[in-house]
Amino acid sequence: AQSVTQLGSHVSVSEGALVLLRCNYSSSVPPYLFWYVQYPNQGLQLLLKYTSAATLVKGINGFEAEFKKSETSFHLTKPSAHMSDAAEYFCAVIPNQGGKLIFGQGTELSVKP
Amino acid sequence: DGGITQSPKYLFRKEGQNVTLSCEQNLNHDAMYWYRQDPGQGLRLIYYSQIVNDFQKGDIAEGYSVSREKKESFPLTVTSAQKNPTAFYLCASLNSGGNNEQFFGPGTRLTVL
Repeated sequence: AQSVTQLGSHVSVSEGALVLLRCNYSSSVPPYLFWYVQYPNQGLQLLLKYTSAATLVKGINGFEAEFKKSETSFHLTKPSAHMSDAAEYFCAVIPNQGGKLIFGQGTELSVKP
Repeated sequence: DGGITQSPKYLFRKEGQNVTLSCEQNLNHDAMYWYRQDPGQGLRLIYYSQIVNDFQKGDIAEGYSVSREKKESFPLTVTSAQKNPTAFYLCASLNSGGNNEQFFGPGTRLTVL
């Protein structure tokens, strides 16, 4: 079965530090990959998506992610954390065209002043 | 502005009662989805509909029902058969001819008293 694994349910960084949220997927073919952000009691907002164009994908709010087929990974990074980045982040995959969206468990990011 | 609306934002229900959650979109999207979110479990698919008058069960459909009489509307009924209905419910839509990006509503938090 296709799956998505996010390593670390909670990540804490200091303001200005690098943010790295990890995501690994299992898929037999190149998938569609997404990162969503969720603020408390709100819906999900798309940060960025990989759709087989460029392997390095830039998103909103200074986030980016790199698709590495050899590692089946799609880790999310941001060079310098801001307090407003504190939220829950979900990695998701559509294993093939027309398939259903499969979510990881989520990673809660805390940013310390 | 185009988007997805869910109402109400907060909903309380007594045990044994059915309750219907509203989801409306004016994005002219073909497909619509209902997800349930519980702490530490990510999002799980309840039902989805790819076209009017048609819908399919997701991974956790037991105790839920849906209808899709209009393209813009996809209401979810949580029945008394759902053993643990307290959760955050998210509706999403997708343009089937697009790039597989799902757009999410703001969510409804259901609490069973």
